[in-house]
Amino acid sequence: GQNIDQPTEMTATEGAIVQINCTYQTSGFNGLFWYQQHAGEAPTFLSYNVLDGLEEKGRFSSFLSRSKGYSYLLLKELQMKDSASYLCAVMDSNYQLIWGAGTKLIIKP
Amino acid sequence: GAVVSQHPSRVICKSGTSVKIECRSLDFQATTMFWYRQFPKKSLMLMATSNEGSKATYEQGVEKDKFLINHASLTLSTLTVTSAHPEDSSFYICSARRVESEQYFGPGTRLTVT
Repeated sequence: GQNIDQPTEMTATEGAIVQINCTYQTSGFNGLFWYQQHAGEAPTFLSYNVLDGLEEKGRFSSFLSRSKGYSYLLLKELQMKDSASYLCAVMDSNYQLIWGAGTKLIIKP
Repeated sequence: GAVVSQHPSRVICKSGTSVKIECRSLDFQATTMFWYRQFPKKSLMLMATSNEGSKATYEQGVEKDKFLINHASLTLSTLTVTSAHPEDSSFYICSARRVESEQYFGPGTRLTVT
């Protein structure tokens, strides 16, 4: 079967760094997405990785290792507004999105 | 865990025809379902919010006569793209809300209009 695993909840301190991991097992791979979703709002696109390596975009970076079926989202200089759910999704060989359950990130002052 | 399915997963249709996409919550009742459209490598665009037994609420700029939404039961919502045109080709994703804090996404339907 296909599945995406990511932690259910994480807590971090304002100003710190946090890494949210995502492991996947899918039939084929056509890219991995990270989305941020605040409660009651639509998900916001953060990153798309299709090749191995690290993609940096401001305070957010995303890493992919296709051989390990592994990705992480790295958030630096955490701000209170970063409190949200972070969704990992993989597009499989049929271009279907397989969604993780999301990681609820709680930022404490 | 909560599972949301969509059918079909992929559809190709001719310009001018209508296409119906189903969204089902398989193991829970969803009082609210959402329909999104995904543009390549971009955020999901919320099209409408569908509540069981009532009319859908459409986001600004989404034509309700073109994108017909029916939330017939607590486990089924349908999106019908009427008189489809090539510019309607996209990836349509639904999600279902179980409780206020839990929203589960479907795998998406890729629509290609020729």
